Amino acid sequence: EAGVAQSPRYKIIEKRQSVAFWCNPISGHATLYWYQQILGQGPKLLIQFQNNGVVDDSQLPKDRFSAERLKGVDSTLKIQPAKLEDSAVYLCASNQLTGLNTEAFFGQGTRLTVV
Amino acid sequence: AQSVAQPEDQVNVAEGNPLTVKCTYSVSGNPYLFWYVQYPNRGLQFLLKYITGDNLVKGSYGFEAEFNKSQTSFHLKKPSALVSDSALYFCAVRGLNQKLVFGTGTRLLVSP
Repeated sequence: EAGVAQSPRYKIIEKRQSVAFWCNPISGHATLYWYQQILGQGPKLLIQFQNNGVVDDSQLPKDRFSAERLKGVDSTLKIQPAKLEDSAVYLCASNQLTGLNTEAFFGQGTRLTVV
Repeated sequence: AQSVAQPEDQVNVAEGNPLTVKCTYSVSGNPYLFWYVQYPNRGLQFLLKYITGDNLVKGSYGFEAEFNKSQTSFHLKKPSALVSDSALYFCAVRGLNQKLVFGTGTRLLVSP
């Protein structure tokens, strides 16, 4: 079974530029998460999708961050414009929609550096 | 809203000794608890989960976790640590809203 795929693995941009990350979840997984992990901290949930609908985006800085999951499969997360404090690893995860007891599977993440 | 606390930033243990990484949680309703491990430059890997049933849950790589409802804890344990267990460990809880919330992580350092 293929895992969660993310690209790119690394990205360096200047502040005020825009950037996009892509995630392809495990086939058949209805729930998709985007997390931000700042160095030395735990993952912070940015947005959670169930199929192509948003379940929770309460911690997404909506003035600069946006995410979509148009066909209920892969997803993109965009930052525009980026700030220095956006430097972090962005993790995508997915799990099956079969209840609360299913574990989430994570991709390897995209490391963003904003200079 | 659910939350997780991992009170130790780092745990040091000698190889061959038992290890414990602590986690306490807060959630409405029944808790769904998870442990993940993260190696450098990698994503999070699932270790084990507690749903219902036995309070002692066994997982990957010889790890186990003990659920204690009265203390709202879910400590990760291993009877005999290996140097290769050195990594960052995260406890997580899922609530009725399906939201999966992580703790701040504990760095485990196993010395030879």
